[in-house]
Amino acid sequence: NAGVMQNPRHLVRRRGQEARLRCSPMKGHSHVYWYRQLPEEGLKFMVYLQKENIIDESGMPKERFSAEFPKEGPSILRIQQVVRGDSAAYFCASSPLVVPGGEQFFGPGTRLTVL
Amino acid sequence: RKEVEQDPGPFNVPEGATVAFNCTYSNSASQSFFWYRQDCRKEPKLLMSVYSSGNEDGRFTAQLNRASQYISLLIRDSKLSDSATYLCVVTRSYGGATNKLIFGTGTLLAVQP
Repeated sequence: NAGVMQNPRHLVRRRGQEARLRCSPMKGHSHVYWYRQLPEEGLKFMVYLQKENIIDESGMPKERFSAEFPKEGPSILRIQQVVRGDSAAYFCASSPLVVPGGEQFFGPGTRLTVL
Repeated sequence: RKEVEQDPGPFNVPEGATVAFNCTYSNSASQSFFWYRQDCRKEPKLLMSVYSSGNEDGRFTAQLNRASQYISLLIRDSKLSDSATYLCVVTRSYGGATNKLIFGTGTLLAVQP
């Protein structure tokens, strides 16, 4: 059973370009979470999605960031008009259920560098 | 004030030492508690869940004090392979609608030969 997959693993963009980060959850998992880890900082929650629904986007910046989890295919985190401050590691996690104490399984992350 | 606070370290200890990490959380509505481990430039991985009754997994012991809003992790007989950043994590669930993890900034452990 493959784990959570993220691609690309490394992404370089110039200021003003768009970044698309993909996450394929573990087989049988329908809950996806995105977290961001800025340099020298802890991981911070961005958004929680189920298939075709955004459940909690309280951690998403108000502008330029969007996320989706379509019926078919991976979850996508999209950053428009990237700026240097978007450089970070973006981790996706998945879980089979939403229960208190339920484990989330993390992907290897995408490291975004904005030049 | 951060919702989950940890001493960032680094903790430099010799092999075989016992080391203790502490963590405090500010929101009394927090429901679940974990320690995760993150190796350099890797994803976080669950080390263990934390319960009020305390739990032990081999050389690792975790404890939760809800009254003091305090979580601890004890590592006995440290190994070189224990070198990593240890993340204190809590969750809050709003009517079952979400289960987002709230991370501390982590405590760096370096075990020296």
